Amino acid sequence: EAAVTQSPRNKVAVTGGKVTLSCNQTNNHNNMYWYRQDTGHGLRLIHYSYGAGSTEKGDIPDGYKASRPSQENFSLILELATPSQTSVYFCASGEGLGASQNTLYFGAGTRLSVL
Amino acid sequence: AQRVTQVQPTGSSQWGEEVTLDCSYETSEYFYRIFWYRQLFSGEMVFLIYQPSFDTQNQRSGRYSVVFQKSFKSISLVISASQPEDSGTYFCALSELVTNTGKLTFGDGTVLTVKP
Repeated sequence: EAAVTQSPRNKVAVTGGKVTLSCNQTNNHNNMYWYRQDTGHGLRLIHYSYGAGSTEKGDIPDGYKASRPSQENFSLILELATPSQTSVYFCASGEGLGASQNTLYFGAGTRLSVL
Repeated sequence: AQRVTQVQPTGSSQWGEEVTLDCSYETSEYFYRIFWYRQLFSGEMVFLIYQPSFDTQNQRSGRYSVVFQKSFKSISLVISASQPEDSGTYFCALSELVTNTGKLTFGDGTVLTVKP
């Protein structure tokens, strides 16, 4: 079964530290996305990618970088973590064409606390 | 600009009842899709159903169906014969096909409780 796997599932970081969230997908989808979800709210797009080597800014990219070294892997990097980045982060993959166009499949989420 | 609004922060039903969750959206595009996702208590996001803007027929998938009112930019998710296992947070999301980033813009969700 196709899947999107995130690691770690939980992370506690210190202010000013570097955090890397990883995502792996076996869907063979070209597109991958990083969202964050704050308590009581919907998901907001941070970065996305159309394929290996590409990254694009989403709606709230400040303070985040992304890396897509391969079709399967997409990382979200917080170079200098701040408490305002405490949130739940979701990775997703999707296809840009065909019957399932833009249907996104999500990982289980990573809960990040920045102290 | 894209915007999705879910005005019901919470909803409830009794086992076996039909439930309707509402969503409105803003877009300047002609071609788009509206998605419904359910977030389980574990946090997992599960795809339920989508409605293409160019399809006048309301979509249906199992116990899920939608009521699409394109002229009002409104869509409702209907869950028939609701069960306690349907409890969770339901999100409406908009995807504009012309720009085709695949980006979904989400509403803030409706927390549904189905009582036994």
